[in-house]
Amino acid sequence: KNQVEQSPQSLIILEGKNCTLQCNYTVSPFSNLRWYKQDTGRGPVSLTIMTFSENTKSNGRYTATLDADTKQSSLHITASQLSDSASYICVVSAETSYDKVIFGPGTSLSVIP
Amino acid sequence: KAGVTQTPRYLIKTRGQQVTLSCSPISGHRSVSWYQQTPGQGLQFLFEYFSETQRNKGNFPGRFSGRQFSNSRSEMNVSTLELGDSALYLCASKWAQQETQYFGPGTRLLVL
Repeated sequence: KNQVEQSPQSLIILEGKNCTLQCNYTVSPFSNLRWYKQDTGRGPVSLTIMTFSENTKSNGRYTATLDADTKQSSLHITASQLSDSASYICVVSAETSYDKVIFGPGTSLSVIP
Repeated sequence: KAGVTQTPRYLIKTRGQQVTLSCSPISGHRSVSWYQQTPGQGLQFLFEYFSETQRNKGNFPGRFSGRQFSNSRSEMNVSTLELGDSALYLCASKWAQQETQYFGPGTRLLVL
């Protein structure tokens, strides 16, 4: 069964600290993995996208890694800011004729001063 | 380029009523997908339209339906509303398969 799991479910960190969010998936055949950021009450916004051959992708203070062998991905946030408070969603696409997309449940991150 | 727009942004209905939500994709995008998001459930896929044809469908009852027009604008209809239909409904568009989806701001529906 195609599934995407994320941990932790929620996280509280102090402003300026780093944090790492995890994503495990059982999606086959794998096409790509994206991380989205969703602010409260708004639509998700894409942060990074990685294909099978990519190990790391950065977008400013956000760095995503992918281990296709263990089917794990992580999103590392450096020097967190209050504006990083949001839900982070891991999304995996399967290589099918109709582009099947599986969403993880998300990790809720709160950055406090 | 304008982003994905959804109307209305907020909606209050009562049980048994029906509702129609609208989505205008980014210019040039022919694929439009709809999602339901509730606390604790995450994003649940409803359906995807491409060039006016439903290409993929999630596990939702027949009360949920949609369509896409020749200009790629899409509408979603929910009939006989239930309390459990209260959610944020998100629309996303993309240019082609395997491309990044761009989400709209969503329509927040409250069913009383």
